[in-house]
Amino acid sequence: GESVGLHLPTLSVQEGDNSIINCAYSNSASDYFIWYKQESGKGPQFIIDIRSNMDKRQGQRVTVLLNKTVKHLSLQIAATQPGDSAVYFCAESYNQGGKLIFGQGTELSVKP
Amino acid sequence: DTAVSQTPKYLVTQMGNDKSIKCEQNLGHDTMYWYKQDSKKFLKIMFSYNNKELIINETVPNRFSPKSPDKAHLNLHINSLELGDSAVYFCASGRGNQPQHFGDGTRLSIL
Repeated sequence: GESVGLHLPTLSVQEGDNSIINCAYSNSASDYFIWYKQESGKGPQFIIDIRSNMDKRQGQRVTVLLNKTVKHLSLQIAATQPGDSAVYFCAESYNQGGKLIFGQGTELSVKP
Repeated sequence: DTAVSQTPKYLVTQMGNDKSIKCEQNLGHDTMYWYKQDSKKFLKIMFSYNNKELIINETVPNRFSPKSPDKAHLNLHINSLELGDSAVYFCASGRGNQPQHFGDGTRLSIL
């Protein structure tokens, strides 16, 4: 389920299921988008990125979808594992190499 | 073989003190960044340096002064620490249109 407000949105999934984490970005001029995974006590770790001239990109077990019409980004994780439990952030950038503007973050919890 | 390393990992100090956080990257990147993560996990950029030159300053109080002795280092000095400075500070580095790499953060607690 999801919760909003003072707490991070959360997503709880069963091990082996697919996870979809959504993100709305703010700047229609943004041309670079990136997903990070942050585990407790660690820094954000790069997962996958996509440029605005694409609408889909696949990595190992992860897929990023970009819908520029509605300014929406999603991260799909296939066959979610307990090690995927973390907080996931989307970020956008205008003029690649510039500052990253981060979204709120979603906490993914994987039940064994 | 740590890519982006920052020290210290934890910093506990009293209000009014001056402290520094150090950051080093061995990735050969030409741009380095400082981000602040608050208690709600919100990450916001503070500064960016490209080849020792300041290129981004996001309306951060002038008590915060970044210093880049060379393009592999970007240190953050904070004067007259306030309670609201308590947060986790992340250093990152990047090059052109490649993903930024982050350090593991410095948790700053003001008593």
